[in-house]
Amino acid sequence: NAGVTQTPKFQVLKTGQSMTLQCAQDMNHNSMYWYRQDPGMGLRLIYYSASEGTTDKGEVPNGYNVSRLNKREFSLRLESAAPSQTSVYFCASNSLASGLFEQFFGPGTRLTVL
Amino acid sequence: QQPVQSPQAVILREGEDAVINCSSSKALYSVHWYRQKHGEAPVFLMILLKGGEQKGHEKISASFNEKKQQSSLYLTASQLSYSGTYFCGTDSSGGYQKVTFGTGTKLQVIP
Repeated sequence: NAGVTQTPKFQVLKTGQSMTLQCAQDMNHNSMYWYRQDPGMGLRLIYYSASEGTTDKGEVPNGYNVSRLNKREFSLRLESAAPSQTSVYFCASNSLASGLFEQFFGPGTRLTVL
Repeated sequence: QQPVQSPQAVILREGEDAVINCSSSKALYSVHWYRQKHGEAPVFLMILLKGGEQKGHEKISASFNEKKQQSSLYLTASQLSYSGTYFCGTDSSGGYQKVTFGTGTKLQVIP
């Protein structure tokens, strides 16, 4: 049981380049999320997927796109990277089963845009 | 709107107690608490629901005052392992999806 996994762990991009961050969970959770965390700040929600086949914007969606490939996988794409997107990106998943809520985060992707 | 946490930072000696507060300007359905150690991912501690409370984690408990739109996290008999940054997350929609996080409280426990 690996929990939530993310790839890559580190990435350096030049302004204007594109990339996709991958996330997978093996806990059979319905909901998945992408957050960004800037230095000294809390987490800000980029996009989320409440269930397979649905995605919705969060607090800071501009410059990003997402795909919920199946129940396990949720990817985040930067089409044209900008220095303002330098951040740590966390994927998360959660479920509410039998009245018990649990949420897990992946280890994060540290992205630098030059 | 982002919830406000206080204090911003606190230093404790092992065995001491601490309280971290989280306040929102919006009516809340639930409050979530997380701990994050430096360079690591946040770890879910507990959720407090409107009208109820989920069991806490280790010697950490929390309260939720719905009328005041506030929550407090209580850490008793602190241990070195409690060091980290604590975040509250507030949910005003009831769906658990759109959680807004505070800027965090940095807690350091020293021997």
